[in-house]
Amino acid sequence: GQQLNQSPQSMFIQEGEDVSMNCTSSSIFNTWLWYKQEPGEGPVLLIALYKAGELTSNGRLTAQFGITRKDSFLNISASIPSDVGIYFCAGPWGDKIIFGKGTRLHILP
Amino acid sequence: NAGVTQTPKFQVLKTGQSMTLQCAQDMNHNSMYWYRQDPGMGLRLIYYSASEGTTDKGEVPNGYNVSRLNKREFSLRLESAAPSQTSVYFCASSDVGFDYGYTFGSGTRLTVV
Repeated sequence: GQQLNQSPQSMFIQEGEDVSMNCTSSSIFNTWLWYKQEPGEGPVLLIALYKAGELTSNGRLTAQFGITRKDSFLNISASIPSDVGIYFCAGPWGDKIIFGKGTRLHILP
Repeated sequence: NAGVTQTPKFQVLKTGQSMTLQCAQDMNHNSMYWYRQDPGMGLRLIYYSASEGTTDKGEVPNGYNVSRLNKREFSLRLESAAPSQTSVYFCASSDVGFDYGYTFGSGTRLTVV
C-alpha cells in the first residue's frame, strides 16, 4: 500500500537549535497533516495543510506543503524541552488517513 | 469536552485470555478507528468504522474483532490474547471530510505474558 516516508527517524539536538524534518510520498496528496505525540499520550494534530506551496505556522512550528504535492516539511525554531516527542506526518488515502513512521525528537540539555 | 476516552489505560493479560478495549467519543464524529503502536513500526490500523453500522479491516486485523455499538462507541476485542499483541492501542475518531484529521484517545498499554 501507499507509504509516507519520514526522515530523519530520530534526532538529537541541543536546546535552542532549530529542527527540520520531512515527509515524502510516491503519490500526490491533497492534504498534509502533522501530528505530535508526547510520551504516554496519543498523537495531537499540530498543523493541517490544504494547498500546494502553502506555508502555515503554529507558534514556533512552521509546516510547508511541497509544490510537487508529494512532500511536506516541518520546522521547529528555537527548540525547548517540551518539544520532545514523536512527530508524524499523515495524509488522507481513500477512506482513511495514513501515517508515516514518525521522527523522534530528543533534546539535550 | 472529553474528546476520545479509552478504557482501561493499562492491562496485563495472560496468554489465551480475552478482553475488550473500550472507546467512546463525544464529538458526534461519524468515523472511528483502532490503531496499535509498536516501537519502530509507527501507527498501524487494525480496524475502522467509517459510519455507524459498518466496520472494515485495516492493515493488521488478525486476532482482533470490533463492534461499533452506536455512533459514540467502538470496541476492540482480543478473543485469545498472544504475546505478539503486546502493544499500545489507540482509538481515534473523525468527522465527515476527515481532511481535518483524527482526534486520538490517550491509549491503552496492553501487556500479554
